[in-house]
Amino acid sequence: DTGVSQDPRHKITKRGQNVTFRCDPISEHNRLYWYRQTLGQGPEFLTYFQNEAQLEKSRLLSDRFSAERPKGSFSTLEIQRTEQGDSAMYLCASSLAAPANYGYTFGSGTRLTVV
Amino acid sequence: GDSVTQMEGPVTLSEEACLTINCTYTATGYPSLFWYVQYPGEGLQLLLKATKADDKGSNKGFEATYRKETTSFHLEKGSVQVSDSAVYFCALSWPGTYKYIFGTGTRLKVLA
Repeated sequence: DTGVSQDPRHKITKRGQNVTFRCDPISEHNRLYWYRQTLGQGPEFLTYFQNEAQLEKSRLLSDRFSAERPKGSFSTLEIQRTEQGDSAMYLCASSLAAPANYGYTFGSGTRLTVV
Repeated sequence: GDSVTQMEGPVTLSEEACLTINCTYTATGYPSLFWYVQYPGEGLQLLLKATKADDKGSNKGFEATYRKETTSFHLEKGSVQVSDSAVYFCALSWPGTYKYIFGTGTRLKVLA
């Protein structure tokens, strides 16, 4: 298993454009998480999937953001009508169980720059 | 609300120096505490954890002790190596939940 994969690694887009990121978790992990990390800050929780069900969305996730995990495998995070404030590193992670006991496995992230 | 505060970086040390990165938390009750490390170009990796007061987590020569009296979880290493250069994140989570609250991270640079 190669761990959590994220694609693309970097994305530069013009303000107002839509972007989509993909995350492939560790195959046996049924839980998947998206976090956002802005410059100089720690990662902040965005959303959580257990299998294909999206169980929680942070208030950081505005209506322009949507995440899916069809068939409980890979996940996509789409941002519509991007704004400069969306520039950040988007991190995906997966786990078998609640993190307090087991911890997450994080991907390397997708760095988004909105110009 | 719950929060984690880390010492600001960057921290620059010579090889074989002692390391301490301070971490304190604000939370009601006793969360689990974690240190994650992010090497250049890689994802965050769990370094060590402690799930109750007075527990000591350890891994790769790093240690941290869960101190409920001072609400702290400081990361220590007796002799750092150049390969330890990375960003270190302190975090908390509640048992049975699935969210972390991370600190802002501390960049460590170790010089040969």
